[in-house]
Amino acid sequence: GAVVSQHPSWVICKSGTSVKIECRSLDFQATTMFWYRQFPKQSLMLMATSNEGSKATYEQGVEKDKFLINHASLTLSTLTVTSAHPEDSSFYICSARKPGVRLNEKLFFGSGTQLSVL
Amino acid sequence: GENVEQHPSTLSVQEGDSAVIKCTYSDSASNYFPWYKQELGKRPQLIIDIRSNVGEKKDQRIAVTLNKTAKHFSLHITETQPEDSAVYFCASSYNQGGKLIFGQGTELSVKP
Repeated sequence: GAVVSQHPSWVICKSGTSVKIECRSLDFQATTMFWYRQFPKQSLMLMATSNEGSKATYEQGVEKDKFLINHASLTLSTLTVTSAHPEDSSFYICSARKPGVRLNEKLFFGSGTQLSVL
Repeated sequence: GENVEQHPSTLSVQEGDSAVIKCTYSDSASNYFPWYKQELGKRPQLIIDIRSNVGEKKDQRIAVTLNKTAKHFSLHITETQPEDSAVYFCASSYNQGGKLIFGQGTELSVKP
């Protein structure tokens, strides 16, 4: 298998502050990572596709200026929630694609970050 | 864009019975269909997957069937056990992007 580490696992912040979430592939290089958001008792909604060395591709309805994604290395992608508000409170989870397998298979998920904005 | 519909949203079965969860996808270009099990507050765990060139795949008590013509696929769990209780998600993807589009999820409850 492969290991994807996500940090922090939970964070509480005040409204208006920014929060950075890290996603690391520990034992493989991931040129592509994906960021999902999951509200309670709901599905995982794809937010954006993060490509190493280039701009992220955002899904329709996701504000790119609010959810900043940086994929500066082959093992690290970060999601920054800027000026967080209570409605941004959610479970954020990343996934990384391991190279060497079929393009769309074997995605490995991070452990998720529970964000609570007060 | 791609859409995945999943039913039922909740499913309650007695231990030992079978459980079936169904999904329908919209994009005929989709060619990979994984199923995930997620426990509360944890990451999704891949339990079985199937490619579009295969009609059925089985792994012990779990099986997945795919009907490409109808664009639907199903998860079958036999001899259910209480530890099978969790939320199950189907998903689909296609070669171009590799991104997974998830169904709405099914909360499975297996009663002892």
